[in-house]
Parts: sequence; structure tokens; C-alpha cells
Amino acid sequence: DGGITQSPKYLFRKEGQNVTLSCEQNLNHDAMYWYRQDPGQGLRLIYYSQIVNDFQKGDIAEGYSVSREKKESFPLTVTSAQKNPTAFYLCASSRDKNYGYTFGSGTRLTVV
Amino acid sequence: DAKTTQPPSMDCAEGRAANLPCNHSTISGNEYVYWYRQIHSQGPQYIIHGLKNNETNEMASLIITEDRKSSTLILPHATLRDTAVYYCIVLNNAGNMLTFGGGTRLMVKP
Repeated sequence: DGGITQSPKYLFRKEGQNVTLSCEQNLNHDAMYWYRQDPGQGLRLIYYSQIVNDFQKGDIAEGYSVSREKKESFPLTVTSAQKNPTAFYLCASSRDKNYGYTFGSGTRLTVV
Repeated sequence: DAKTTQPPSMDCAEGRAANLPCNHSTISGNEYVYWYRQIHSQGPQYIIHGLKNNETNEMASLIITEDRKSSTLILPHATLRDTAVYYCIVLNNAGNMLTFGGGTRLMVKP
């Protein structure tokens, strides 16, 4: 079945460490997105990529980095510069602007 | 981006229709309205979308006003499993960004 996979589901990191969240899709979608969700809040866009080797900052890109070397993969690195990284992170993909977004099941990151 | 306004919470009796409103008064002519829902700690699930005409699928119906400034998502026979946060989103002109507000927390009660 086609879909979008995020791993791991839960992630713990020590303060000051970088950590990379994985997002893989086999839907042949061109566009991919990363969102952050805090408890009781909506989703905020971190980064998005419309095509391989190209990506743009979203509303809250500071402290995060991404790469898009392959169409299927869009990993997100949470760097030590991110002041409050504990959150639920969601990855999504889309075929084009007239189609809905498919979301992964999310990664819950906790800084200890 | 066109902003959306939704009530923070609603209750609905099981088996009854749930009508979830959304205001998007700044929507542009070629921007779509999308509805998603999110069950706790899961990724949002696509429900339905529309541009001008009313739409229906196996999950829900979408009613868009003639001036397109508001819409209503209708779950015709709500079940306990429909308890979730429902998000109304308007795609911007580029079509490649979605901003999710706080949504409406729908509680379906027995």
C-alpha cells in the first residue's frame, strides 16, 4: 500500500544534541512538508519542498534543517539551536495543489 | 494566506448530524477549502474539499456558501469514533502550504 512513513514514533534526546526525524513516502508525490504541533494547538509549518534538491522555510524554520536528495525522502533535523524542541512532528506529502495532503503518523520528540 | 475561523469546540449526540462551521471571508476565487480531522496523537486525515459547489463523499458533505466566505462540514450520522479535532483549511494560491489553526474539537456523546 502506498503511504507515508515517519520514524521513530517516539524519540528522546538530551538537551544540546541534534536529532534527525525520518519521513519516507512511496506515493510518488512531488511536494513534502514538515509541521510541528504543540499540545492543544494547530499545526505550524516548518519547511516544505516542492521538488528534489529544493526546499523553502515555513513559519517556524529557525533551529531546524532539512534536505531533499530523493523524491521519496525528506528528513528533518532538529538542531541544538531550537530552543523548545519538545513537540509532535508531522510529515505530509502532496501530488499537487489541487489534491489533498497525506500525513504520516507523527514523531513525538521529547528533550530530557 | 486566507485565514479560517472555527468554533473551538462542539458537542453532538450519537446518531445525529454534526454540522461544523468555518468562516473564510478572505478566500480568493481560486482557493480551495479543505477539511481534515485529527484523532489524538495521530496524523490528520483528509475528509473532503471543494471550490464552489457542494461536495459529498462517503465520509461527509461540504456546503460552501454562494459568496464562498463560509462553509459547513456535515457528518450525517455522527458516531463515537467521529470524536476528533476538525480543521478547516484554505490553500493559498501557490497551493503548496497549509496553515492549520486550532480547529474545532467535536465531542460525540452517547
